[in-house]
Amino acid sequence: AAGVIQSPRHLIKEKRETATLKCYPIPRHDTVYWYQQGPGQDPQFLISFYEKMQSDKGSIPDRFSAQQFSDYHSELNMSSLELGDSALYFCASSSRGMAYGYTFGSGTRLTVV
Amino acid sequence: AQKVTQAQTEISVVEKEDVTLDCVYETRDTTYYLFWYKQPPSGELVFLIRRNSFDEQNEISGRYSWNFQKSTSSFNFTITASQVVDSAVYFCALSEAETGANNLFFGTGTRLTVIP
Repeated sequence: AAGVIQSPRHLIKEKRETATLKCYPIPRHDTVYWYQQGPGQDPQFLISFYEKMQSDKGSIPDRFSAQQFSDYHSELNMSSLELGDSALYFCASSSRGMAYGYTFGSGTRLTVV
Repeated sequence: AQKVTQAQTEISVVEKEDVTLDCVYETRDTTYYLFWYKQPPSGELVFLIRRNSFDEQNEISGRYSWNFQKSTSSFNFTITASQVVDSAVYFCALSEAETGANNLFFGTGTRLTVIP
């Protein structure tokens, strides 16, 4: 069965650079979520999209932005990177109301040096 | 406000022992979902179970079982006859369905180490 695809798997950036993470949800899933997991922490919700519109916002810094495209893939754009942005970034997708569960991608490990 | 508490930060057991991971939650919603995820050292989040607030039936899946008790706001997870491959961080999570947002609130996780 198709899963949530995230790219890249690993990314190394320098301070003040920009990074773009991509997420391809499970086909027919209409909602995409982004989470950030710092070292030794639990995942924290950043932002979600339902049918290409932002549906909810969590603890996402102003330096970050995200969008969902017409093919339902989503991108998380992170600018002016800081050392503290080093984390695992997860994308998840679901069908509205979670009728088909809540599936996470394998994550993108971002290291800011 | 919603909250998920996993009081056990780390647990170590010897292989073949049974182990229970505790999860206590707080929510004002009457409709909500509870989840357990496993995060092995490779880092991915592996879905284990989802339970909605109206289904208090306990569930067993192989060596895994879950005990959902609304009266105590708990959703505990038991691994029977633990194996080394069970070593991972386990997260309990809550989603409040009434807001329609469906984002998950995670507990801080329990790191389980199974010693051969």
